[in-house]
Amino acid sequence: EADIYQTPRYLVIGTGKKITLECSQTMGHDKMYWYQQDPGMELHLIHYSYGVNSTEKGDLSSESTVSRIRTEHFPLTLESARPSHTSQYLCASSELADTQYFGPGTRLTVL
Amino acid sequence: GDSVTQMEGPVTLSEEAFLTINCTYTATGYPSLFWYVQYPGEGLQLLLKATKADDKGSNKGFEATYRKETTSFHLEKGSVQVSDSAVYFCALGGLSGSARQLTFGSGTQLTVLP
Repeated sequence: EADIYQTPRYLVIGTGKKITLECSQTMGHDKMYWYQQDPGMELHLIHYSYGVNSTEKGDLSSESTVSRIRTEHFPLTLESARPSHTSQYLCASSELADTQYFGPGTRLTVL
Repeated sequence: GDSVTQMEGPVTLSEEAFLTINCTYTATGYPSLFWYVQYPGEGLQLLLKATKADDKGSNKGFEATYRKETTSFHLEKGSVQVSDSAVYFCALGGLSGSARQLTFGSGTQLTVLP
């Protein structure tokens, strides 16, 4: 079973705050991903990484940024949170061009 | 580009009923196909996968067969349980070497009543 962790699980913050959502995996996977999941359940890829120092934007435009300084760590940052950022954020990793393993998600609410 | 069309929900069944969730895809090449399941308050878990035509993926009583001629990967279970209540996502895997690897369907909410 995959070991991929996300913190916090739930976060409620005020508009304008800077936040960082953490994602870590212990499997040594090169590829990591961030998805945004809307209330209608649909998943949208917002960032991905091939490996250390590699990051790309996904299909859905996002005001968030990511970094990949270590293989196991792929944090997502919002410089100034807004109510439109309220969503569920899912992190995933994969080794081959195949199965992705997901973390439990962070549910973000911006007031 | 690649796309996945999934049966719309929600689907409500009685316990021990037969389940089918339809999934069709459009893709170039020979993608891998997946079913993921998301239980309330959790992330997605891989349920089963198939990597080439006519392969059958199976897990926990669920099955899906990769049908290239009909570009389909329908999920089936012969007898559902209350614990199967969740959201099910069909997904298509991209070409090797691409990090943009999974294209997801819109998800199907399944509720199983006792």
